[in-house]
Amino acid sequence: QGQLVQSGAEVKKPGASVKVSCKASGNTFTIYYIHWVRQAPGQGLQWMGLINPSGDTTPYAQKFQGRITMTRDTSTRTVYMELSSLTSEDTAVYYCARGDGYKSLFDYWGQGTLVTVSS
Amino acid sequence: EIVLTQSPGTLSLSPGEGATLSCRASQSVSSSYLAWYQQKPGQAPRLLIYGASNRATGIPDRFSGSGSGTDFTLSINRLEPEDFAVYYCQQYGSSPLTFGGGTKVEIK
Repeated sequence: QGQLVQSGAEVKKPGASVKVSCKASGNTFTIYYIHWVRQAPGQGLQWMGLINPSGDTTPYAQKFQGRITMTRDTSTRTVYMELSSLTSEDTAVYYCARGDGYKSLFDYWGQGTLVTVSS
Repeated sequence: EIVLTQSPGTLSLSPGEGATLSCRASQSVSSSYLAWYQQKPGQAPRLLIYGASNRATGIPDRFSGSGSGTDFTLSINRLEPEDFAVYYCQQYGSSPLTFGGGTKVEIK
């Protein structure tokens, strides 16, 4: 219950886009907010944004505005995070995490997806 | 945006010793909406403390949190070998959500 399983590692070229998935187990998927947090190599944690349970509200961190999109598919209990116009600075591990609101702590985390941006 | 500053950056201690980690906020964290996480290499963070002082499910009682306003502390009583890790604080009282830079607790 509460497990989040993310898609596998990706290697992308600068300027490309990446789409990471986060699949939830259990039947409480529809009541939780899914947040995304990234961690550059050897660095700390950075909150990127979230998608609400109905999928119609997606407040993003200002840093990513204009190049991030989060969506959710209730039928497959999967949330997606797409980041475009990638640069080497986007090389990081991307985590999805479960929260109970727009301003939330995170009690369950995915295992993380490494995205490497390299020419 | 609330900036969280953690200190020290690294804490070198021996098993059995106690640890005190600090998290200072640039402005007051509303309703003590402050959480602490533990992260080990190659793993996702794990929630330890929420609401500044409440232990998450399954967290041993050697971990305790305290503080309010702008100053918060995570204490670890009698370090076990599995406690050597990086610890992050996070505020969830205002948007954007922010994390501190982390404190690494390493074996001396």
